[in-house]
Amino acid sequence: SQKIEQNSEALNIQEGKTATLTCNYTNYSPAYLQWYRQDPGRGPVFLLLIRENEKEKRKERLKVTFDTTLKQSLFHITASQPADSATYLCALPISSGSARQLTFGSGTQLTVLP
Amino acid sequence: ETGVTQSPTHLIKTRGQQVTLRCSSQSGHNTVSWYQQALGQGPQFIFQYYREEENGRGNFPPRFSGLQFPNYSSELNVNALELDDSALYLCASSLDPGQRAEKLFFGSGTQLSVL
Repeated sequence: SQKIEQNSEALNIQEGKTATLTCNYTNYSPAYLQWYRQDPGRGPVFLLLIRENEKEKRKERLKVTFDTTLKQSLFHITASQPADSATYLCALPISSGSARQLTFGSGTQLTVLP
Repeated sequence: ETGVTQSPTHLIKTRGQQVTLRCSSQSGHNTVSWYQQALGQGPQFIFQYYREEENGRGNFPPRFSGLQFPNYSSELNVNALELDDSALYLCASSLDPGQRAEKLFFGSGTQLSVL
């Protein structure tokens, strides 16, 4: 069956360092992958989308890579700040009828220490 | 533009009761998806509504049902509540239910506790 796995452990890093989060998937060939940020008690907020024919995508301090051979996406936050502390979710599209259902990983909780 | 709004923010029910959650989609968005998020887990797809019709459904029993109205707002109804239904229920709107890569705009959710 299709499966999405993110870093199972919470990730703590020091302010200013680069945070790297991993999203692995199996039994699936998505046309694209999305990353969302979720703060406690709030809904997820879209950050970046990367398509299968793109190796890398950047937005300000964020960088996403997509390796369809390894079936893996890496999400990097450079020069991390305490305000970056949140749960980060990766999501892949699966068709359900004529709907496009986004299937989410369980998320990685990132804490940036001052 | 207005964002996605959900009501109520918190709700406490007892097992066996019924609940209705409400969602107003982002201005201009005609598609609404509902997700259930248990503590420590990612959101799980319940169903999607487009043009007032259910357009796709995840692995949830029929006691989870929904509606979409002409103004694109939506309701999620859950009958015969079970303890495991305790979760954050998220509504997300988007422009197109088709195959284009649309990002989802989420509301802040309704936290449902079933006692």
